[in-house]
Amino acid sequence: KAGVTQTPRYLIKTRGQQVTLSCSPISGHRSVSWYQQTPGQGLQFLFEYFSETQRNKGNFPGRFSGRQFSNSRSEMNVSTLELGDSALYLCASSTSGRVDEQYFGPGTRLTVT
Amino acid sequence: DQQVKQNSPSLSVQEGRISILNCDYTNSMFDYFLWYKKYPAEGPTFLISISSIKDKNEDGRFTVFLNKSAKHLSLHIVPSQPGDSAVYFCAVAYNNAGNMLTFGGGTRLMVKP
Repeated sequence: KAGVTQTPRYLIKTRGQQVTLSCSPISGHRSVSWYQQTPGQGLQFLFEYFSETQRNKGNFPGRFSGRQFSNSRSEMNVSTLELGDSALYLCASSTSGRVDEQYFGPGTRLTVT
Repeated sequence: DQQVKQNSPSLSVQEGRISILNCDYTNSMFDYFLWYKKYPAEGPTFLISISSIKDKNEDGRFTVFLNKSAKHLSLHIVPSQPGDSAVYFCAVAYNNAGNMLTFGGGTRLMVKP
C-alpha cells in the first residue's frame, strides 16, 4: 500500500506570493490533516478534512486555507506569503480520524524569501 | 502559551540502557496521549498511545506512563538501540478522533553504540 505522498517536496517562494501544496492520502483514507512545523513553534495543527468537509481548524490566520476533493486528495493554500510561513508542512491521513491511526507524509519544505 | 512541553531538547544514552523521555501538559481536559518518532526528511511515525483511563501501556521495548495528577507522561525505551536515534514528539488530544493533535517541541535521542 502506497503511503501518504506530498508534492512538491521543496518549494521556494517570494514574500507576497501564494502557494498551493498537495497531499494524496493512503488509499481508503477519508481524513486528511495538515500541520506546520517550524523551529520556533514546533508542530502545529492547521486543519482537518473529512469527506470534503473541514471538520477541525487550528489557530491560524485566514491566509491559510484548504480543501479536499472527492477522491480524498487535499490541497492547502497560503496567500500573501510572509517570511514566517517558512516551514515544513506535513499532511497526515487516516480512515476515520482516529489520532492513533494517522500516517504522516514526508512533508513539503516551503522557504519564503 | 505552550500546552505541551518537552523540557529536554536532547538526550544521549548508551546502547542497551534505558531511555526516558518526558512530556508535560497543562490542560487536564486532554485525555489521549501519543508518542511519535521522526527521522530527518520523513514525517512522524506513530509509536505508542495511552488513554486517560490507563496509567501504563506497553508495546515491546516501548512503555508509556501517564501521571494524570501531575499532567506528565513519559516514554521508556528498554533496551535502547542505535536505530532508536531520532526526534521523539509527545502529542495530546481531547479524544481519539478528529485528528487534532497538539505536539510538544520534541526531544532528540541519540543512542551511542
